[in-house]
Amino acid sequence: DVKVTQSSRYLVKRTGEKVFLECVQDMDHENMFWYRQDPGLGLRLIYFSYDVKMKEKGDIPEGYSVSREKKERFSLILESASTNQTSMYLCASSLVTGSEAFFGQGTRLTVV
Amino acid sequence: GQNIDQPTEMTATEGAIVQINCTYQTSGFNGLFWYQQHAGEAPTFLSYNVLDGLEEKGRFSSFLSRSKGYSYLLLKELQMKDSASYLCAVRDRGSTLGRLYFGRGTQLTVWP
Repeated sequence: DVKVTQSSRYLVKRTGEKVFLECVQDMDHENMFWYRQDPGLGLRLIYFSYDVKMKEKGDIPEGYSVSREKKERFSLILESASTNQTSMYLCASSLVTGSEAFFGQGTRLTVV
Repeated sequence: GQNIDQPTEMTATEGAIVQINCTYQTSGFNGLFWYQQHAGEAPTFLSYNVLDGLEEKGRFSSFLSRSKGYSYLLLKELQMKDSASYLCAVRDRGSTLGRLYFGRGTQLTVWP
């Protein structure tokens, strides 16, 4: 079974802090994604990556950056956390041929 | 992005059948996915349609009509554990390497 693991289930950070959300997948998938999920807005794509050191902006990249130094790991970085970044963050991975995406368990981030 | 529309909420009783509709508009359709998401958990893959017709998988079936830009998820013999959000997602042929566009989800509540 594919496993996508996010480093934290719950996280509380202060405004202005730099925040790192880590995601690791164990199935050698090329594609990795970061989404945020908010009530009434559904899943919105922040960034995605199709190869090591490659990244593409999604629909809402402002305030975020990403890093993919190894194929299995995709990190989401909040350069200076703000309260409007309080959300559920979901990481996903898939094969490059566009098969189903497998999701991690999510990180509930609260910025105070 | 793509325009994906699905009802916000639905209710049904245990043992009944429910149909969750999804309509979409895309310039280059390349597959439609249904995901199930229980509260506080990650989405899990349910079904995939790329050709017209019905795909059956146990109590769940998914139908696609590409000419109408329409899909539905059919859940039979409803159980309490089917209470969840159901997400419709479309892959666009023109999109970079298989990214999915998600609808906002349909919250299904199953009553005893």
